[in-house]
Amino acid sequence: NAGVTQTPKFQVLKTGQSMTLQCAQDMNHNSMYWYRQDPGMGLRLIYYSASEGTTDKGEVPNGYNVSRLNKREFSLRLESAAPSQTSVYFCASGWGATDTQYFGPGTRLTVL
Amino acid sequence: GESVGLHLPTLSVQEGDNSIINCAYSNSASDYFIWYKQESGKGPQFIIDIRSNMDKRQGQRVTVLLNKTVKHLSLQIAATQPGDSAVYFCAENSGGSNYKLTFGKGTLLTVNP
Repeated sequence: NAGVTQTPKFQVLKTGQSMTLQCAQDMNHNSMYWYRQDPGMGLRLIYYSASEGTTDKGEVPNGYNVSRLNKREFSLRLESAAPSQTSVYFCASGWGATDTQYFGPGTRLTVL
Repeated sequence: GESVGLHLPTLSVQEGDNSIINCAYSNSASDYFIWYKQESGKGPQFIIDIRSNMDKRQGQRVTVLLNKTVKHLSLQIAATQPGDSAVYFCAENSGGSNYKLTFGKGTLLTVNP
């Protein structure tokens, strides 16, 4: 049982490049989440998917898109990366609205 | 706006001592609270949670206390060990169908041998 896995672990992009961060969970959870973590800002929700087939904006959705590919996978796409998107990105999953969220190991992204 | 905050950004304790990490929340509608531990370079790890119909919950070496009157949450770690050194976050969910957790900024716990 791997829990929540994320790829890649590290990525360096140039401004304007695009990329997709991948996330998968093997706990049969209904909901999945993408957060970013910046020094002094804590964890901020980018997008979430309450269940397969649905996605909703979080606190900081601008510049990102998501796809809930199936129950297991939830990807985050940066269409045109900007230096302000330099951050550590965490994927999480959980059973439902008022339940624990379990986090992946993170992707460290640098945009030059 | 509503927020979750921590009283102390850093806490340094001696190995074997008990640690108490505090968290204040301002959303009186919040009904679910979680404590996470984050070690350097890793994702947040679930420690313990508590729902608003309880005021205390115990786990292995950890206890969470909830005081709804003053909107205060605390995490107590008994017999703190060097492996407990990490950043600790509290998070709240304001209930209902709201899927969003609001996280505090974290407290860095350092355990001295």
